Amino acid sequence: DVKVTQSSRYLVKRTGEKVFLECVQDMDHENMFWYRQDPGLGLRLIYFSYDVKMKEKGDIPEGYSVSREKKERFSLILESASTNQTSMYLCASSLEAAPMETQYFGPGTRLLVL
Amino acid sequence: DAKTTQPNSMESNEEEPVHLPCNHSTISGTDYIHWYRQLPSQGPEYVIHGLTSNVNNRMASLAIAEDRKSSTLILHRATLRDAAVYYCILRDDPSGTYKYIFGTGTRLKVLA
Repeated sequence: DVKVTQSSRYLVKRTGEKVFLECVQDMDHENMFWYRQDPGLGLRLIYFSYDVKMKEKGDIPEGYSVSREKKERFSLILESASTNQTSMYLCASSLEAAPMETQYFGPGTRLLVL
Repeated sequence: DAKTTQPNSMESNEEEPVHLPCNHSTISGTDYIHWYRQLPSQGPEYVIHGLTSNVNNRMASLAIAEDRKSSTLILHRATLRDAAVYYCILRDDPSGTYKYIFGTGTRLKVLA
């Protein structure tokens, strides 16, 4: 079974802190994604990566950056955390970019910014 | 991007079949229909997908209308463990990202 793990289930940070969210997948997938999930808004794509060191902006990249130095690891960085970044963050991976391809999600990190 | 419309919530009795509808009237010929579900405090998980024909797997069945403007996810015997938010998603992206566009889904409540 594909496994996508995220470094923390719950995280509490202060405004202005730099925050790192880590995601690791164990199935040699090409593509990795970061979403945030907020009540009433569903899941929204922040960034995705289709190869090592490659990244593309999603729908809401402002205030975030990403890093993919190794194929199995995709990091989301909040350069200076703000209260409006309090959310559930979900990482996903897929084998390739094709419309029939399945995405596998991690358990999520619930981030609270005070 | 083509949109999907789902009821906000549905209820079912345990051990009974559940039919979860999805409307996608602007679907294009190359859009795949995917269903995911999200159990409480977990990330979404894949349920089933299809293009034109009805599909069955161990979790569920997917019935796709002949004009493809709607589809129905069928859980043959609902269990308490099936209580989740179910998302119907279309996937086709000329830019090559094939990103998912999640709506707010249908929250399924299963009654014991």
